[in-house]
Amino acid sequence: DAGVTQSPTHLIKTRGQQVTLRCSPKSGHDTVSWYQQALGQGPQFIFQYYEEEERQRGNFPDRFSGHQFPNYSSELNVNALLLGDSALYLCASSLARGSVLTEAFFGQGTRLTVV
Amino acid sequence: AQSVTQLDSQVPVFEEAPVELRCNYSSSVSVYLFWYVQYPNQGLQLLLKYLSGSTLVESINGFEAEFNKSQTSFHLRKPSVHISDTAEYFCAVSSSGSARQLTFGSGTQLTVLP
Repeated sequence: DAGVTQSPTHLIKTRGQQVTLRCSPKSGHDTVSWYQQALGQGPQFIFQYYEEEERQRGNFPDRFSGHQFPNYSSELNVNALLLGDSALYLCASSLARGSVLTEAFFGQGTRLTVV
Repeated sequence: AQSVTQLDSQVPVFEEAPVELRCNYSSSVSVYLFWYVQYPNQGLQLLLKYLSGSTLVESINGFEAEFNKSQTSFHLRKPSVHISDTAEYFCAVSSSGSARQLTFGSGTQLTVLP
């Protein structure tokens, strides 16, 4: 079992550009959530995808968008990058059972640096 | 709304000494509680979780945490730490009001000194 895999591991972009990050969930998991972890802070929830739709969204602007594919993998897109978007982006996979999250597995993250 | 407070941003401790990392939460509904560990330049690894049943939960590497509903706390403890325990530790909560997302605290950097 490969666990949750994310690509790329590191990325450097220029302010104003667009970026796409990718995530493959743990085998058997159907739900993908994305988190932003700024330096020295805890992860912040961006949004969650299940059945190829955005189910929940945190307090992030529309510049942040995503997609889930039929094989449950997911992409996070960020448009018009700002310096403040520099962070570690974490993908978490889980199984959609009930209304409460009981377990989530995280990938190694993508370190995005905006210059 | 729910929130998590980790009272100590940094905890230095000598090897083989005991340690406690504090976590308090706020939620108006029943909660599930988690501790994750993050080593440098890596993602989050689940250390232990409380879902229901016994309020004392243990991990395979000697950590334990106790759910205290009256004090809304979920402190993490280890009786004897090792150099390899040096890492960032995050407390997190999910609840029926959180729509299946995790809310994290700001983290505690545990540094084990030789």
